[in-house]
Amino acid sequence: DTAVSQTPKYLVTQMGNDKSIKCEQNLGHDTMYWYKQDSKKFLKIMFSYNNKELIINETVPNRFSPKSPDKAHLNLHINSLELGDSAVYFCASSQVSGGIGDTQYFGPGTRLTVL
Amino acid sequence: GDSVTQMEGPVTLSEEAFLTINCTYTATGYPSLFWYVQYPGEGLQLLLKATKADDKGSNKGFEATYRKETTSFHLEKGSVQVSDSAVYFCAHGGSSNTGKLIFGQGTTLQVKP
Repeated sequence: DTAVSQTPKYLVTQMGNDKSIKCEQNLGHDTMYWYKQDSKKFLKIMFSYNNKELIINETVPNRFSPKSPDKAHLNLHINSLELGDSAVYFCASSQVSGGIGDTQYFGPGTRLTVL
Repeated sequence: GDSVTQMEGPVTLSEEAFLTINCTYTATGYPSLFWYVQYPGEGLQLLLKATKADDKGSNKGFEATYRKETTSFHLEKGSVQVSDSAVYFCAHGGSSNTGKLIFGQGTTLQVKP
């Protein structure tokens, strides 16, 4: 009954590889997000989608490409992985985009380690 | 620009001690304010929120009041438990109503029995 789920939970890969992280929400929300949490636990938004349309793209390298096949799914594909991409990536969803007090629901995170 | 500043951790307390974690923000206008909690190995969960000045958010014994004058949203709990050990994040809803959350750097709380 997980509200926001991500796969995989752990991802270990070599520099230069391409990898994807998948996210699904079963809350019926219209908006989904990707956040990056660095080694000091600082969280920063990367992207948001509202009903499959890109709303936020926060100066993320174009090696990162989000894809939303439907409003319940938001995947993150990363090309040519670099050491600095090692982090925990969180998916989140909310009812609307920018609604006052709108709560975001987070997935369990995907810990990406680039060697 | 938009930002959130929290007190640096880690904060170590004994069980039943009083907790305060300070949080101040900068934003244009009056965004919604949030406290999220991250337990070890898990994602973030909403702890409480406030949407306008003088609102008090509360949940599980935690409280925070939206102070417009001091641009603050300090988290308090009267008596902490070991199970409260986690990382606490203060956040605001940004100045542009796009839905993005601006997070503070997180404060690690460790409660000892």
